[in-house]
Amino acid sequence: EVQLVESGGGLVQPGGSLRLSCSASGFTFSSYAMHWVRQAPGKGLEYVSAISSNGGSTYYADSVKGRFTISRDNSKNTLYLQMSSLRAEDTAVYYCVKGSSSTILRYNWFDPWGQGTLVTVSS
Amino acid sequence: QSALTQPPSASGSPGQSVTISCTGTSSDVGGYNYVSWYQQHPGKAPKLMIYEVSKRPSGVPDRFSGSKSGNTASLTVSGLQAEDEADYYCSSYAGSNNLGVFGTGTKVTVL
Repeated sequence: EVQLVESGGGLVQPGGSLRLSCSASGFTFSSYAMHWVRQAPGKGLEYVSAISSNGGSTYYADSVKGRFTISRDNSKNTLYLQMSSLRAEDTAVYYCVKGSSSTILRYNWFDPWGQGTLVTVSS
Repeated sequence: QSALTQPPSASGSPGQSVTISCTGTSSDVGGYNYVSWYQQHPGKAPKLMIYEVSKRPSGVPDRFSGSKSGNTASLTVSGLQAEDEADYYCSSYAGSNNLGVFGTGTKVTVL
């Protein structure tokens, strides 16, 4: 069974940093692109970032570009999202999602999704 | 990239059908046959229901179907059941420079 388990969320002050992790199992992690999608409380889904299977290509939404860094360690089957210069509007549940392709340069559907980890940015 | 437009709500009685629209532009929905649909129950993670406009992953009931015409994609749930009450989001490919555009979401209520 494919499983994605996020960790690392919590309360952080504006301007602070946080690193999210996503531990993957049940599939060949190194063969698939991985994605982060977030959902602010009571709001819709927002695409955040993506990384290709070998880590060679990355993508960031304009809202996080320059502040967030996506990475992966295929030897540990783990995806990361380093978040810095956090703002109140970054408050959301962050979902780790498996893509359907190895590349981020073409269409991916998202399946499955992890259970999410809540990031709260507040003083 | 703007979010795709969905109606805020839709409803139907058990056994009836409900159709949700997802309107984009020729740069996303209209430009590719790459639309997917996700179901989200309260407090839960989204679940893939449809990909590539009309394909169903294994395990998704055939009551769920997808289609597209021009810049608008649609999800139809036939034979509504209580467990279909959830939020539904569409998503479309919009080119390699703009990944993962989501719709605004539609809350489906089973009356």
